[in-house]
Amino acid sequence: EIVMTQSPATLSVSPGERVTLSCRASQTVRTKLAWYQQKPGQAPSLLIYDASTRASGSPASFSGSGSGTDFTLTISSLQSEDFAVYYCQQYYDWPYTFGQGTKLEIK
Amino acid sequence: QLQLQESGPGLVKPSETLSLTCTVSGVSDDYISSGTHYWGWVRQPPGRGLEWIASIYYSGSAYYNPSLKSRVTMSVDTSKNQFSLKLSSVTAADTAVYYCVRLAKGARISLGYSYWYFDLWGRGTLVTVSS
Repeated sequence: EIVMTQSPATLSVSPGERVTLSCRASQTVRTKLAWYQQKPGQAPSLLIYDASTRASGSPASFSGSGSGTDFTLTISSLQSEDFAVYYCQQYYDWPYTFGQGTKLEIK
Repeated sequence: QLQLQESGPGLVKPSETLSLTCTVSGVSDDYISSGTHYWGWVRQPPGRGLEWIASIYYSGSAYYNPSLKSRVTMSVDTSKNQFSLKLSSVTAADTAVYYCVRLAKGARISLGYSYWYFDLWGRGTLVTVSS
């Protein structure tokens, strides 16, 4: 099983700041990496797939990069609606696995 | 508009079987059988992270999480645009919000192999295991 590790677990940031979230896989997943956003009381929603492709409806302020084992999600300028939990997930090999999540908090 | 909707009991007794159904609505009658997507289940215990449970193709070909494989069965009913989950011998550790999901195919990077990400999620249903 491929283990996904996200860092940090929690990040306190101010609106308008640029933020980078990290995700590391225990073995290569090539570019088969997705990012999801989950707001309180809601289902997760897809932000990025294939490591860097923005999903339909995802704001342009979100971008993904990386390949192999190291990936990042960057939010160029945090808006109030961006404070949420973010999960990475590999779909290179079954069983598909998620990271434990990074929570963005308002500073 | 395409939607996924979970349905099933919100309370299940320990040692019994959890049964959920996901209905795909806002689509043509033969949508699931078009073969352009996989379908699956993901769960989230209260206050915790996400765990993939299983995924199935319209043909019935399925993948299961090894940690749950001995207790899980997925099935698909293309005539109703529905797919289902059964989880047997449940315990309190199976208490979670259960999401049904649609999987879309990622860009091809290998011949003869496809990679599927979760592109659409249902709203989720809380299932509590308690006597």
